Amino acid sequence: SQTIHQWPATLVQPVGSPLSLECTVEGTSNPNLYWYRQAAGRGLQLLFYSVGIGQISSEVPQNLSASRPQDRQFILSSKKLLLSDSGFYLCASGTLEKLFFGSGTQLSVL
Amino acid sequence: AQSVSQHNHHVILSEAASLELGCNYSYGGTVNLFWYVQYPGQHLQLLLKYFSGDPLVKGIKGFEAEFIKSKFSFNLRKPSVQWSDTAEYFCAVKPSGNTPLVFGKGTRLSVIA
Repeated sequence: SQTIHQWPATLVQPVGSPLSLECTVEGTSNPNLYWYRQAAGRGLQLLFYSVGIGQISSEVPQNLSASRPQDRQFILSSKKLLLSDSGFYLCASGTLEKLFFGSGTQLSVL
Repeated sequence: AQSVSQHNHHVILSEAASLELGCNYSYGGTVNLFWYVQYPGQHLQLLLKYFSGDPLVKGIKGFEAEFIKSKFSFNLRKPSVQWSDTAEYFCAVKPSGNTPLVFGKGTRLSVIA
């Protein structure tokens, strides 16, 4: 089965600072990759997904961006964080059959 | 807008009570349906899925879900819950085509002794 590595586990950043969250996948090749955000009371919201290197689809307009520089690497970024970017960010990999999730990053923007 | 709706935000049950968590979706056409679970301190993991065939799907730990196409529903059930079922449960729908998996907002289940 796949293993999803996410880091850091927790992050506290000031408003206006940049962000870079990294996700790497083991145990598969050419996976579909996803970034989800789990905000309090709002459930699991799909932010970006990628079906291949350099291919990114955005689900919601926001000041976040994603990149996939390598087959099993997926990066979530922001140039300037907003308070509303606080939340729990999950990276996922998988196919229609099953999604595998990382352990998440708790981001607090102050 | 097309969506996945989980009606209950937080459900509190006593041990041995029966459970039913609602999930409705608004996508037309063929869909694949999932329930994921997140136990405290653990990763999200697949509980059960429906692709085709028998609309009553059996999952792990005694859970089952029934796909009712006419109602656009995929409710999760368990006849008798245990304290260890305390978790957050997410319904997810994969519409046909290139639309990725869409999750509901989740239902937090608390099982008390």
